Amino acid sequence: QQQVKQSPQSLIVQKGGISIINCAYENTAFDYFPWYQQFPGKGPALLIAIRPDVSEKKEGRFTISFNKSAKQFSLHIMDSQPGDSATYFCAASGSGTASKLTFGTGTRLQVTL
Amino acid sequence: DTAVSQTPKYLVTQMGNDKSIKCEQNLGHDTMYWYKQDSKKFLKIMFSYNNKELIINETVPNRFSPKSPDKAHLNLHINSLELGDSAVYFCASSTGTGGQPQHFGDGTRLSIL
Repeated sequence: QQQVKQSPQSLIVQKGGISIINCAYENTAFDYFPWYQQFPGKGPALLIAIRPDVSEKKEGRFTISFNKSAKQFSLHIMDSQPGDSATYFCAASGSGTASKLTFGTGTRLQVTL
Repeated sequence: DTAVSQTPKYLVTQMGNDKSIKCEQNLGHDTMYWYKQDSKKFLKIMFSYNNKELIINETVPNRFSPKSPDKAHLNLHINSLELGDSAVYFCASSTGTGGQPQHFGDGTRLSIL
């Protein structure tokens, strides 16, 4: 049972455009929602994270939008650059001791010139 | 000064063999994890240790045995390797458990011949 659904599976965006990746979760106990960026041959790296007490968080060109009632959150990459080409994973977890991070299926982003 | 380091980076072996992957973190974290990333890039947690104590043990075959000699190290031993074990295995660490940023190593690509 997949608890975090991510879309699209792949995305092609022109340089300077906005990349948008969406995730939906089922477990209402989730209260931590990070996004990870993974380049080929490397491990996932934390990009930005949000907790449900805010509806939006921005760090540089990266913004998370969070909709608690809809149980959805999304990553927006403004002014997308070729260097942003990577696989992006959303994830979710609770905050208890045995809470585990559940990942989405990943979105492969390609930013073209 | 790599934060989370795994060895080896590549592991090619035959079915039925026993192998180990080592992980070390120099971030001062007290929680460490093992994840498996399959050929479709799906990331799934296998184990989690906090202060050398096992706190998450997913439905992983008991051929997989983690060992944490101290807070900075978490090793993974795999007995009787099977074709389906081929994947990339990632070690990660965090401060505390549940809902905390996790830092990943660059993975060990295990290929079973």
